[in-house]
Amino acid sequence: QQQVKQSPQSLIVQKGGISIINCAYENTAFDYFPWYQQFPGKGPALLIAIRPDVSEKKEGRFTISFNKSAKQFSLHIMDSQPGDSATYFCAVIPISNFGNEKLTFGTGTRLTIIP
Amino acid sequence: KAGVTQTPRYLIKTRGQQVTLSCSPISGHRSVSWYQQTPGQGLQFLFEYFSETQRNKGNFPGRFSGRQFSNSRSEMNVSTLELGDSALYLCASTKGASGLVTYEQYFGPGTRLTVT
Repeated sequence: QQQVKQSPQSLIVQKGGISIINCAYENTAFDYFPWYQQFPGKGPALLIAIRPDVSEKKEGRFTISFNKSAKQFSLHIMDSQPGDSATYFCAVIPISNFGNEKLTFGTGTRLTIIP
Repeated sequence: KAGVTQTPRYLIKTRGQQVTLSCSPISGHRSVSWYQQTPGQGLQFLFEYFSETQRNKGNFPGRFSGRQFSNSRSEMNVSTLELGDSALYLCASTKGASGLVTYEQYFGPGTRLTVT
């Protein structure tokens, strides 16, 4: 069953604009919400992550907004640059005492930043 | 600090054959997870190993198996290959220290498997 729904599938943003990618999850028993960035020919790289006890986390130009009641979280990329062009995946990890570090990924968003 | 390494990077096999992929985690990381990435199904969890024991398993047939060695290096094996097994196979490592949940997973570049 699909536990994480990601949108949009693809996104084109002008340089300097704000890129916004959204994810919604179906199960409340998740404890960790990371975003991964993947360039062609590379493995996913952890970009930024949030725990459910905070509503927002910012690292440089990247911000995660988290809405626990709506079961949604989103990635905002401010001042988007051509180098940000990549595929972005949201993911969730279930609450676990130990030994359940299984990432469930969203379907991915192909982001293209145009000059 | 060296990242996660995977070998080989590319592999071409024919249907019915078997294949073994290798993963070396980041030094000090004891947990290794494997994922399959395809355009149609996206990124799907295969299994996770910690201290040579499989702790978690995804919804894949028994043709997919893995193991972990005492130095934390891991291998995954796919037997009786099918065309649908063509994918990018990714390995990720975490510290996974006993009694401590660590969520940060670091991925290798993957092995691109093509089954003809």
